[in-house]
Amino acid sequence: EAGVAQSPRYKIIEKRQSVAFWCNPISGHATLYWYQQILGQGPKLLIQFQNNGVVDDSQLPKDRFSAERLKGVDSTLKIQPAKLEDSAVYLCASSLFGGPGHYEQYFGPGTRLTVT
Amino acid sequence: AQKVTQAQTEISVVEKEDVTLDCVYETRDTTYYLFWYKQPPSGELVFLIRRNSFDEQNEISGRYSWNFQKSTSSFNFTITASQVVDSAVYFCALSGTGANNLFFGTGTRLTVIP
Repeated sequence: EAGVAQSPRYKIIEKRQSVAFWCNPISGHATLYWYQQILGQGPKLLIQFQNNGVVDDSQLPKDRFSAERLKGVDSTLKIQPAKLEDSAVYLCASSLFGGPGHYEQYFGPGTRLTVT
Repeated sequence: AQKVTQAQTEISVVEKEDVTLDCVYETRDTTYYLFWYKQPPSGELVFLIRRNSFDEQNEISGRYSWNFQKSTSSFNFTITASQVVDSAVYFCALSGTGANNLFFGTGTRLTVIP
């Protein structure tokens, strides 16, 4: 079974530029998550999708971050414009369904973003 | 509010030693779930275990064991006879009722020295 795929693996941009990350979840997984992991910290949820609808985006900085999951499969996360503090690893995860701890989340390898 | 504390930032042990990683959590939910994930240098988080708040039985899986104590709000993880391949950052996480999102601790970096 193929895992969660993410691209690119690394990205370096200057502040105020735009960047987009792509995630392909495990086939058949209805729930998709984007996490931000700043160096030395644990991952923090940015947004959770159930199929193509948003379940939780309370910690997404909506003035600069956006995400979509068209057709309930792949997802893209965009930052526009980027700030220095956005330097982090962006992790995508998927689970069969959402729900309180019932379904294991499978994580992709992440995209390491460096903003200079 | 959910909170997970991993007080040990870094631990180094010599191969074959046993090591315990501590995790203390805070939640007001009566039903919640606790997790441990491993993050090797490759960066991918690997699921190790999930425990629900009604099951306080300790669990053993090979060299790994987990001790869940509601009285002290702790969910500690022990690796017996550590190996170099165990070197990684280990995260404890909590999920309450409602959405399935995970609240992670800050992680413990384990280095096993050959």
